[in-house]
Amino acid sequence: SQQGEEDPQALSIQEGENATMNCSYKTSINNLQWYRQNSGRGLVHLILIRSNEREKHSGRLRVTLDTSKKSSSLLITASRAADTASYFCATALSSNTGKLIFGQGTTLQVKP
Amino acid sequence: GAVVSQHPSWVICKSGTSVKIECRSLDFQATTMFWYRQFPKQSLMLMATSNEGSKATYEQGVEKDKFLINHASLTLSTLTVTSAHPEDSSFYICSARAPDETYEQYFGPGTRLTVT
Repeated sequence: SQQGEEDPQALSIQEGENATMNCSYKTSINNLQWYRQNSGRGLVHLILIRSNEREKHSGRLRVTLDTSKKSSSLLITASRAADTASYFCATALSSNTGKLIFGQGTTLQVKP
Repeated sequence: GAVVSQHPSWVICKSGTSVKIECRSLDFQATTMFWYRQFPKQSLMLMATSNEGSKATYEQGVEKDKFLINHASLTLSTLTVTSAHPEDSSFYICSARAPDETYEQYFGPGTRLTVT
């Protein structure tokens, strides 16, 4: 069953602007992961943040995790047209089943 | 890096027929693989966990007799959609759990199934 919710569902910005996407979940997690998916294609793993971490950076990506609020955010700085895609958060539950539960996703459009 | 392939990348079949989708880990062994379904403009829904050498574990609401999963080797899992109907048309994605049993998964490129 799906446990993550993301907002906004859709986001349209100009190239160079920052994009922020939020994800909320319901149960205890071991880690939270963010993925990108271009239309009709497979998933690309962006970043993994563990439950004992609060912030993580990777290039132009910044992810925060607030376990008390059961929420995470993904910030893409200085966006590019090539960042246009759908972004999903996925939570790995505390029980070590390896299962990932995906959020609804945010569709990002970056206009050149 | 770890690579997962799927075959075919797309398939069109007639209503009532069965379709098999393969998921292979190309450069590592995967004891655990996962199958997801994604409808247009929606998120990925986990269908089942495929374990090498044992029966798959299906998520609630997924018909095990309709979606047959076989994890015959450490590098291959197959999903067979039996007696396919138009409502089974979807994007099917597999993933393989990292060999060191961490929480990382490697995703295949997906298979687009269209049932006419």
